[in-house]
Formats: sequence, C-alpha cells, structure tokens
Amino acid sequence: GAVVSQHPSRVICKSGTSVKIECRSLDFQATTMFWYRQFPKQSLMLMATSNEGSKATYEQGVEKDKFLINHASLTLSTLTVTSAHPEDSSFYICSSSDRRANYGYTFGSGTRLTVV
Amino acid sequence: TQLLEQSPQFLSIQEGENLTVYCNSSSVFSSLQWYRQEPGEGPVLLVTVVTGGEVKKLKRLTFQFGDARKDSSLHITAAQTGDTGLYLCAGRTGGTSYGKLTFGQGTILTVHP
Repeated sequence: GAVVSQHPSRVICKSGTSVKIECRSLDFQATTMFWYRQFPKQSLMLMATSNEGSKATYEQGVEKDKFLINHASLTLSTLTVTSAHPEDSSFYICSSSDRRANYGYTFGSGTRLTVV
Repeated sequence: TQLLEQSPQFLSIQEGENLTVYCNSSSVFSSLQWYRQEPGEGPVLLVTVVTGGEVKKLKRLTFQFGDARKDSSLHITAAQTGDTGLYLCAGRTGGTSYGKLTFGQGTILTVHP
C-alpha cells in the first residue's frame, strides 16, 4: 500500500533555531502534500498544501515565513519551522493522496516537536 | 468555511457495549473518510464512503453516509479495549484525488475492560 515516511519522529530544539521535517512518499508520486498541526487530544488543523514544483498554499492564519514548505520533487516535501518558539511545540503530520487508496489519504507517522 | 461537527467529543464505555459517533455538516462532500489515530502516530484510514446512503462494514464497525452526503456515522458493535483511540471523520470536496480534507473535532474513545 501507499506509504508516507516522515522524519524525524521526535525533535527537541532550542528557541530561535530552525527545524526541518521531511515527508517522503515511498511507492507513489505525491503531487500534492498536505501539512497538518495537531494539539494534544485535538483534531488535525490544516496548515498548508504543497504542490510539486510550485509555491505552497497556506491556510488563513498560518505564517508563511514561519513555516517554510518546499516540494521540489514528486516524492519529497519538507516543512521547516524557522526561529522556533515554545508555542510552536506541537505534533506535525503530513499526508498525501494515492488514487489506489480510493480517495483516502496516507498520513506520515508524525513529528513531535518540542521547543525549549 | 466548511465545518464538520463530530460528536461526542469523548466516549468512555465498558467492553462489550455498542457506540455510535456522528459527523454532521451543512455542506455536501464528494466523499467522507473515517480515520483512527493512536497517540504519537499518524491517522490510519478505516473507510471511505462516496455514495449517498452508502453503508460499509468493517468487521464490528459499520459506516454510513447520509443520503445528502452531508453527514456520516460510525457504529461499533461489542467494543473491545483495542478499539480505544481517537476517531476522526474527514470530508473531501472537489472531484480530484487531491482535494482538501476538512476534519471533524475528533472523538476520543476509551474502552474499559
């Protein structure tokens, strides 16, 4: 089945530093990748939609300069949290759609970011 | 903005009981998915319903899509402790495979032995 590999699974960083999260589609071409943020015991909040070879589309209220998204190839999309602060601590998840999954979406395993 | 109202938000039951989770919206969705998520992991797709009035069964789980494709329900029969987790409904708009998903608020299910 379709697999999206997300790394790292956990990361702790100091305030002011930047963190890069990678999502790779292993056996399908991810033309579109979605990036979500999730707080404990809450649902997923869409942050942005990244399309291969073009600029990402950000949801209202999400800072473009804060959350840099790159989708340079059909198998790799990255989210960089720049100048991270403790309030950026969260669970970040990527997902993409594979037609084989009958319009379902395959999610990465998530990245737990803790900013200290 | 399309919203999916999912209820209940929390559900705590004993093993063997039945339960139903609801997702309602004023918007029409081209398809609706149900996911289950374990702590620290990404959501895992359980089912996709596409046709209004559709009913799908997955062992003890029964999924329904409303006739007007605005609402859906998940019914679990004889719940087991392994059913514990966060259940999410998500509606997709648009006719392509790459349309955005709108998620419900989620239902945290706890099944006690």
